[in-house]
Amino acid sequence: GGIITQTPKFLIGQEGQKLTLKCQQNFNHDTMYWYRQDSGKGLRLIYYSITENDLQKGDLSEGYDASREKKSSFSLTVTSAQKNEMAVFLCASSIIRVSNERLFFGHGTKLSVL
Amino acid sequence: QEKVQQSPESLIVPEGAMSSLNCTFSNSASQSIWWYQQHPGKGPEALISIFSNGNKKEGRLTVYLNRASLHVSLHIRDSQPSDSAVYLCAVFGDNSKLIWGLGTSLVVNP
Repeated sequence: GGIITQTPKFLIGQEGQKLTLKCQQNFNHDTMYWYRQDSGKGLRLIYYSITENDLQKGDLSEGYDASREKKSSFSLTVTSAQKNEMAVFLCASSIIRVSNERLFFGHGTKLSVL
Repeated sequence: QEKVQQSPESLIVPEGAMSSLNCTFSNSASQSIWWYQQHPGKGPEALISIFSNGNKKEGRLTVYLNRASLHVSLHIRDSQPSDSAVYLCAVFGDNSKLIWGLGTSLVVNP
């Protein structure tokens, strides 16, 4: 078995601030993902990475940067936090990125912007 | 644009009852369909997947897929209070893109 660890669990930021979320996995999976979960909306893909140093944009990449310097870690940066923004950011991994693959998720980072 | 719709939005059942959740999708060429369970404050956890028309059973869970009607359902037999959670339907579409539904909130009353 393995685990995905997201830090921090809660993140409070100021409008315009640059904020970084971190994710570590010990499954030795090739592919990692960042999703955003908003109330009333389905999970939306921000970025994914199929291997170390690879980055692929998802449907919601505008306003975000990502970094995959090691196979086990994937970080996400909110480049300029929006006032009153509130969402949960979920990190996930899978063995490879093909159809039928199961995703393993972390417990999320809850973002609130004042 | 591919879509996944889930119904009902919320479901309340007594302990021991059967819980039935529905999911419709827009692309008949979709690959596999997954059901995930999400407890409050936790990430989604995969429960069961199906690819071929028909049904698949794992423990108390049964999934039915009908590609002609673009419909998949999840049935939880002998529902327990610990089954109370949000259930997400996720469909693999074109280019291995995963499309998520909004979820069904299940409450099982003791």
